[in-house]
Amino acid sequence: AQSVTQLDSHVSVSEGTPVLLRCNYSSSYSPSLFWYVQHPNKGLQLLLKYTSAATLVKGINGFEAEFKKSETSFHLTKPSAHMSDAAEYFCVVSADQTGANNLFFGTGTRLTVIP
Amino acid sequence: DVKVTQSSRYLVKRTGEKVFLECVQDMDHENMFWYRQDPGLGLRLIYFSYDVKMKEKGDIPEGYSVSREKKERFSLILESASTNQTSMYLCAVRQGIRIGQPQHFGDGTRLSIL
Repeated sequence: AQSVTQLDSHVSVSEGTPVLLRCNYSSSYSPSLFWYVQHPNKGLQLLLKYTSAATLVKGINGFEAEFKKSETSFHLTKPSAHMSDAAEYFCVVSADQTGANNLFFGTGTRLTVIP
Repeated sequence: DVKVTQSSRYLVKRTGEKVFLECVQDMDHENMFWYRQDPGLGLRLIYFSYDVKMKEKGDIPEGYSVSREKKERFSLILESASTNQTSMYLCAVRQGIRIGQPQHFGDGTRLSIL
């Protein structure tokens, strides 16, 4: 079975400081993992994806995530927060079998950036 | 990447009306999805389609139906709108069914049922 737990519903950082959004997953097999970002009243935009290649994945807007199998984690980081990063972030795991319906979403982490 | 366009950003309808939400992709991908997003509940899958005229129920299909007559268009239908269907509706598209392929989302339709 697949599931995702985003450990913080809300994270607040100051502009220019590092961002850490935490995600733990559960999967019977080697998972594919994604982070999406959603700005207010917009759809979800893909930030990055992990699909069993390099464990450190670089995405758009300076974000990156590291896949740690031993910890079943896929935390999202950014060295320096920008005001435009304020949004909701979703960690998503893909099911381990083929099929049309195979994404499982976390409940989201709202990132606030303080000027 | 595929561009996913939802026909309305904001929509206000009345209880009992039949409501159509449209989603169009600019490529030829097989798989299309409809979700609703509610505070505290995250994204929940309503219906998905893996080809023209093919559809499957998601987690919360009650009160909804879908139509896929052409590959690029996937419509969500509220047969008789109710106030508990007030929500943000998101359409998504994915190419193929192989593991590791992400879904690409439209900007959403914020639907209010009065």
